[in-house]
Amino acid sequence: SQQGEEDPQALSIQEGENATMNCSYKTSINNLQWYRQNSGRGLVHLILIRSNEREKHSGRLRVTLDTSKKSSSLLITASRAADTASYFCATVFYNQGGKLIFGQGTELSVKP
Amino acid sequence: EPEVTQTPSHQVTQMGQEVILRCVPISNHLYFYWYRQILGQKVEFLVSFYNNEISEKSEIFDDQFSVERPDGSNFTLKIRSTKLEDSAMYFCASSPSWRTYNEQFFGPGTRLTVL
Repeated sequence: SQQGEEDPQALSIQEGENATMNCSYKTSINNLQWYRQNSGRGLVHLILIRSNEREKHSGRLRVTLDTSKKSSSLLITASRAADTASYFCATVFYNQGGKLIFGQGTELSVKP
Repeated sequence: EPEVTQTPSHQVTQMGQEVILRCVPISNHLYFYWYRQILGQKVEFLVSFYNNEISEKSEIFDDQFSVERPDGSNFTLKIRSTKLEDSAMYFCASSPSWRTYNEQFFGPGTRLTVL
């Protein structure tokens, strides 16, 4: 498998707290992307980080990439109840036509 | 803002029947994908499509599956003879280009239930 596990599998926090999710992979990537999925709905692209980047921000989201450890983390700061969803990392490998390889996801629950 | 659309949102069929899932990608996009997600499992790549032909397909995408872009807007996934294990959420996605390995834009999905 090219994709490792995401951890944690489930995360429950209070509104206002930060949420951190991690993702690992096994072979060299072109980029890594994070997607969000509300229950039973489609996937929404959150952020893309390329293999030559180490950190990227978008609003309350911060993504880091450590290619030496083949891992990435997604930090959501000052979480809100509306952030409750499943979060998936997806990797794009070189010479594989751009297909996304998804992790198992982290189910985030933010309690008001 | 342009978006990928999929129809129907839910399809119920009997085992052995043919189903066609439809997608309208974003109009200026060139690369199209189908993924599926079995309930409680991760999203899996099925097939990618560019320039009116399949670019890549996964092991899941066997002879029972086919894709087509019959006109300038629609992108379809056909399952010839459905099995119980084909029950899943099917997502269509499009991308302006994979050469720069861009993000993919996903549709809301079609939930396929095979009885």
